[in-house]
This record gives sequence, C-alpha cells and structure tokens, in this order.
Amino acid sequence: DAGITQSPRHKVTETGTPVTLRCHQTENHRYMYWYRQDPGHGLRLIHYSYGVKDTDKGEVSDGYSVSRSKTEDFLLTLESATSSQTSVYFCAISSQGRENYGYTFGSGTRLTVV
Amino acid sequence: SQQGEEDPQALSIQEGENATMNCSYKTSINNLQWYRQNSGRGLVHLILIRSNEREKHSGRLRVTLDTSKKSSSLLITASRAADTASYFCATSFNAGGTSYGKLTFGQGTILTVHP
Repeated sequence: DAGITQSPRHKVTETGTPVTLRCHQTENHRYMYWYRQDPGHGLRLIHYSYGVKDTDKGEVSDGYSVSRSKTEDFLLTLESATSSQTSVYFCAISSQGRENYGYTFGSGTRLTVV
Repeated sequence: SQQGEEDPQALSIQEGENATMNCSYKTSINNLQWYRQNSGRGLVHLILIRSNEREKHSGRLRVTLDTSKKSSSLLITASRAADTASYFCATSFNAGGTSYGKLTFGQGTILTVHP
C-alpha cells in the first residue's frame, strides 16, 4: 500500500525466539497502530503510538513490546514467540488521532510460530 | 468488549443485486467506519460516518447510522464480482478524552458476488 510498508511479509519462527516486525511510513503521520487478525476475532489492537517515543498498550498487548524512535518507523517485538502469536499482523497509520479520519493499512505480515 | 458485531457473517449474491451488511456496537462513538479487505491484503478505508450524521453516500455505497440503536448498515448497490471481499465496521469510541484515534473492529462480513 502506498506510503506504508511492512516487513517481512512472511516469517516462520520457533517457539521461544524473539521476533521483530517493522512498519515503515513515508506519510509523516503522527499515529501508528499494530493489530493482529485472527479468524473469529477480527482485528485486535496490540499497541499504538501517538508520537516519537509515545506508545501505549492496546487490547492484546501481553507478550508484545513496541518502539518508535523516529516518526517513520514503528517496531513490534514478540519477546519470546509462542504458538498463540501465530497470526497476521497489520500496521496502520492515521493523520488525525483525536477524531479518526480513517486508517491506511499495510499489506500485513503473516507470522507462523512453530 | 466494545467490539462491534457484524451481521450476516457471510452473504452470497448475484451480480447486479444489492448487498446489505449490518454492524452493532455497545458504547457511544465519535464515528463509525467501514473497511474492505480482499483476500490476503490489508484493509482499505471505504467510508466514515460521524455520530451526528444519519446517512452518507459514496458512489455505490450508502451507510446509515442509528445511534439510538447503536447500529449501522452498509449498502452496496448494483454489486459486481469485484466487490467480493470481507467488509468490516470499525468504531472510534467516545471515551470522554483523547482516544488517539483507536478503532475497534468487528469480525467482518464475507461478501461473495457471483458473476
């Protein structure tokens, strides 16, 4: 998707290993979000950021951490991957945080923990 | 949970027919949005309706919002095979303070349009 890229697109990792997913934007948007998508659960918010070094937890943050050292990059780290973290992870960006005007989503990262 | 719920879970129609999907939510909102997701892709924003609006149109899309019933509907008129996708509603909740634009998504409706 224009202006936002996620890497890697696919990853297989072993239980107990740390994994970092990257979201990069070229839109200079202030707000960035990480969601996971699972069958039967829709999209659930993991963490979000409202500025450089400003982050907070979402609905399903256990086992995840994030960092945002510059506007364009938002990293999601699975500290010790578990099979329950097998999912599709989406990053989204928004220019308006107080009243959301719509997200732009990345193409997703399909993560498999074996 | 503040998560919205969509109905039906799956909808199968013929090309040219109208498709209607419904979304219900539980708490007061700032706005409600609809997104489309094609298989294996990210979500794409379709339309946003604010809490003080009752109806909104965009091309073949018509969205209604009934805040008294905490529900919304998305109507796609004259459906095409290319409309085949999953459709999600998402709500921006009015928490009385800064929400940071967080959205809560429903589980989606899978729409299949047969040529």
